[in-house]
Amino acid sequence: EAGVAQSPRYKIIEKRQSVAFWCNPISGHATLYWYQQILGQGPKLLIQFQNNGVVDDSQLPKDRFSAERLKGVDSTLKIQPAKLEDSAVYLCASSLGGQAEAFFGQGTRLTVV
Amino acid sequence: DQQVKQNSPSLSVQEGRISILNCDYTNSMFDYFLWYKKYPAEGPTFLISISSIKDKNEDGRFTVFLNKSAKHLSLHIVPSQPGDSAVYFCAAEDGQNFVFGPGTRLSVLP
Repeated sequence: EAGVAQSPRYKIIEKRQSVAFWCNPISGHATLYWYQQILGQGPKLLIQFQNNGVVDDSQLPKDRFSAERLKGVDSTLKIQPAKLEDSAVYLCASSLGGQAEAFFGQGTRLTVV
Repeated sequence: DQQVKQNSPSLSVQEGRISILNCDYTNSMFDYFLWYKKYPAEGPTFLISISSIKDKNEDGRFTVFLNKSAKHLSLHIVPSQPGDSAVYFCAAEDGQNFVFGPGTRLSVLP
């Protein structure tokens, strides 16, 4: 069974530029999560989708971050404009149930310079 | 306000010895706890979990102990192997909130 796929693996951008990350969840998983993991911290949930609807985006900085899951499968996370403090690993995960049953992708490491 | 704490950023143990990773939480509503293992350039993978109705759960070399009165859990790895070198995250949930700790980097020395 294929796992959660994310791309790109690494991205370096200058502050104020925009960036987008892509995630393809495990087939059949209705729930998709985006997490931000800053160095030295645990993953923090940014947004949770159930199919193509948003369940929780309370910790998403909506002034610069946006995410969509238009057909209830793949998802994109966008940052515009990026700030230095956005440097982190962005993890996508998917599950059939809750967060405790989620499988994680390899993540995208973003460096904002 | 950190609801899940892992106060040791790093830990080194000798191969074959026991590794003990600790985790403390502040929210008494948490009723399910998990440990994840993360290798560099990979996502976290689930390792072992425990429900609040238990005080111990074992899976091969890995055992998790829960002390609800102290709001403390620990992961024991016996015997430790070099392949266990990774970052270990503790996580807790209460049905609504799911919170990760900051992680402990374990190095198992040959």
